[in-house]
Parts: sequence; C-alpha cells; structure tokens
Amino acid sequence: AQKVTQAQTEISVVEKEDVTLDCVYETRDTTYYLFWYKQPPSGELVFLIRRNSFDEQNEISGRYSWNFQKSTSSFNFTITASQVVDSAVYFCALSERNTGNQFYFGTGTSLTVIP
Amino acid sequence: SAVISQKPSRDICQRGTSLTIQCQVDSQVTMMFWYRQQPGQSLTLIATANQGSEATYESGFVIDKFPISRPNLTFSTLTVSNMSPEDSSIYLCSVEDWGGYEQYFGPGTRLTVT
Repeated sequence: AQKVTQAQTEISVVEKEDVTLDCVYETRDTTYYLFWYKQPPSGELVFLIRRNSFDEQNEISGRYSWNFQKSTSSFNFTITASQVVDSAVYFCALSERNTGNQFYFGTGTSLTVIP
Repeated sequence: SAVISQKPSRDICQRGTSLTIQCQVDSQVTMMFWYRQQPGQSLTLIATANQGSEATYESGFVIDKFPISRPNLTFSTLTVSNMSPEDSSIYLCSVEDWGGYEQYFGPGTRLTVT
C-alpha cells in the first residue's frame, strides 16, 4: 500500500494564483515526520519543511503555508501568489520511527506556473 | 544543513559498462542513502550505507548490480554495474542529520544508458 499519496499528478496555474498541493499519508506509528521537498528542473531536491506528528500547528513561511491535520492524515501545501519560479515537482514524504526513519516519498505533483 | 556534492553530475554510458558515482559531504554523518529516480517517477531507495558495515539493500536491488562503498563518515560511492537502458535515471545520495529527522539530498547524477 502506498504510504504517501499525492493524487494530483500535474497542476497548472496562472501566475499570482494560489495553489494547494495535497498529500495524504498512512501510518500506524505514533511518532512520525512529514516533509515537503521541491525538485526544480535542475533535479536537485530542496528541503522545504518538516513536521512531527505531535505538532499540528499550521506553519507559514513567506508565500508557503502548510496545513497538517491528523484527523484526515493530510499534510497539504499551499503556495500563495504563485510565481514562475515555483514551477517544479513537489514531493511529500513520510518518515516513521518504527522503520528507522526510512523515508517514503509520494509520487510527486508537477506544478507549472504560467506567466 | 549538510552540503552534499556528487560526481559526475551527468553521464552518457554504453550498455554493459559500469559507472561509479561519488557522494561527498562537508560534515561527518552516520547514515547515507542512495536513491534512484527513473524518468517522471518518484524516488526509490536503493540502499542505506553506514560507515564500517555492509550496505543494506531494499527489495529489488542487489549488491552485484549496485555495489556501494562507505570508507569514512563523509564519503560514499555507488556503482551501477553492467548497465542497460533501464538504468537511465537520476541517482541521488542523501544524508541524515544528527537528529535523525531530516534528509538532505545531493544534486543528483543524471545517467543515460544507450
């Protein structure tokens, strides 16, 4: 079974629109971590955020915000006022204590921001 | 966060040959990981490399095909042996921070096998 599901394969938005990338995870562990990574066309994976299972506070960093809801096992990522430089593939990932913090990646969402 | 470099950044190789990818970290780390990302796909863990012990391979990956070395706490290599076009992928190394919570990734090696 897929531990991390990113149902949106590709999204296109016009510059300055807001966009939300969905991430649903599955785990039986009580201690786990959730992550978002950005992979621009250059291929490098850029760490964006980590959230642990005990902290459901939403987080905002500039134009980025994250909504963590344990009740729905979701960790969604919103980009406000999107820019062309936001065009990339975004990966959500899960790390579980019980599996030695092995990372499970979702299949990624390819975001294209149209100028 | 750790700064990770990989060599080569890209290569085009002929089938049947082997390529060794190097991963260098600017600080000592316990755990290093090797991932494969096939075109348009997500990341798949190949193996975990701890210094001083044999690498641990994930299901579907074997040491004969992907031998790994981890001679010290800042360096590792992954060899892709007897390559076929199906091995065309981006290969990424990553390291775990000392807290064990985050992984930082190198820039990747883009391999094309013809």
